Amino acid sequence: EDQVTQSPEALRLQEGESSSLNCSYTVSGLRGLFWYRQDPGKGPEFLFTLYSAGEEKEKERLKATLTKKESFLHITAPKPEDSATYLCAVQLYTGNQFYFGTGTSLTVIP
Amino acid sequence: AAGVIQSPRHLIKEKRETATLKCYPIPRHDTVYWYQQGPGQDPQFLISFYEKMQSDKGSIPDRFSAQQFSDYHSELNMSSLELGDSALYFCASSRTGGAEAFFGQGTRLTVV
Repeated sequence: EDQVTQSPEALRLQEGESSSLNCSYTVSGLRGLFWYRQDPGKGPEFLFTLYSAGEEKEKERLKATLTKKESFLHITAPKPEDSATYLCAVQLYTGNQFYFGTGTSLTVIP
Repeated sequence: AAGVIQSPRHLIKEKRETATLKCYPIPRHDTVYWYQQGPGQDPQFLISFYEKMQSDKGSIPDRFSAQQFSDYHSELNMSSLELGDSALYFCASSRTGGAEAFFGQGTRLTVV
């Protein structure tokens, strides 16, 4: 059965304390893996797309990496405004829908 | 840049009533998705359309239906509403072929 699992469920960091969020997947025929940021009551905001193992993408304090079984979202020197829920989603070749993980709720404390 | 537009942003309905949610995708995006997100949950896929034809179907109740019109906007019709239908409903659009999907700000439906 196709599965997308994110860990940890919640993460509290001090401002400036770097860390990583994990998204592991067991799917057949991965077309792409996507990272989104979601603020409460708002729609998911697109961050990155990763298509193949070894690929890396960077944007400001965020860096996403992909292996054959998991993806990491590295947050370097986070700021309070980085507080949000981070969702990963996979898209398969067999369809066009996105399967979401349950997300990691990140809180960055000043 | 143009984003996905959803309306209304908030909707309050009584049980057994009907609701219609609208979605206007990003121009030149050929695929539209509908997702339902309950409190503290990840988005659950309902249905998608590619070039105005239904392309994928997820956990959409039989009481719900959706369509995409010639101008590519989509509507999600929800009948015989139940308390459990209260949730955020998101529409997303993308260009086909593995491109990322961009989400609207959602419609918060409250059934009382």
